[in-house]
Amino acid sequence: GNSVTQMEGPVTLSEEAFLTINCTYTATGYPSLFWYVQYPGEGLQLLLKATKADDKGSNKGFEATYRKETTSFHLEKGSVQVSDSAVYFCALGNAGGTSYGKLTFGQGTILTVHP
Amino acid sequence: EPEVTQTPSHQVTQMGQEVILRCVPISNHLYFYWYRQILGQKVEFLVSFYNNEISEKSEIFDDQFSVERPDGSNFTLKIRSTKLEDSAMYFCASQGSSYNEQFFGPGTRLTVL
Repeated sequence: GNSVTQMEGPVTLSEEAFLTINCTYTATGYPSLFWYVQYPGEGLQLLLKATKADDKGSNKGFEATYRKETTSFHLEKGSVQVSDSAVYFCALGNAGGTSYGKLTFGQGTILTVHP
Repeated sequence: EPEVTQTPSHQVTQMGQEVILRCVPISNHLYFYWYRQILGQKVEFLVSFYNNEISEKSEIFDDQFSVERPDGSNFTLKIRSTKLEDSAMYFCASQGSSYNEQFFGPGTRLTVL
């Protein structure tokens, strides 16, 4: 079945540092890929998504590229801010560009950014 | 901005008791989901619901679990006889169309003693 393996945390960075959170997946076909973020006391929010190979999702300075050859969808940001402190979840969905149906999540990575 | 709400935020119950977790999805959304996250583990899919019926469920979603949309606004998850291993954070999500994102609520933390 589908599975997502996400970089173990927690990750602690200084403000303006470069961020990478690794995510790899196992699935058949071409699933849609997502990064969700959870701020303290809130629900999961979609950060970005990609629906086919070589697509790059981006939002709020975060980027991730759908790499079919390495089955990866690593999250990057060039310069993190204290406000980026949150839990980040990589997730895999159905194929065909749809967001419908169950999401398979990685274990989440806690990011803490210090001033 | 519309949001998914969940009540209660924290529910404590005794093993064997029934619990109902409530969710109010975003108005006009058509697809509804429940997920859970046991402490320290992954967020796991439980069930999806569309057109007043279950469209998919996981192995976790056994006969002890049920979902309902009783009045067109609330979306509930019932656990008939709770077990210690049901202790987890339960997230509700709703979706407006199959090409839009799933919007998640803040979760209900269920503690079974």
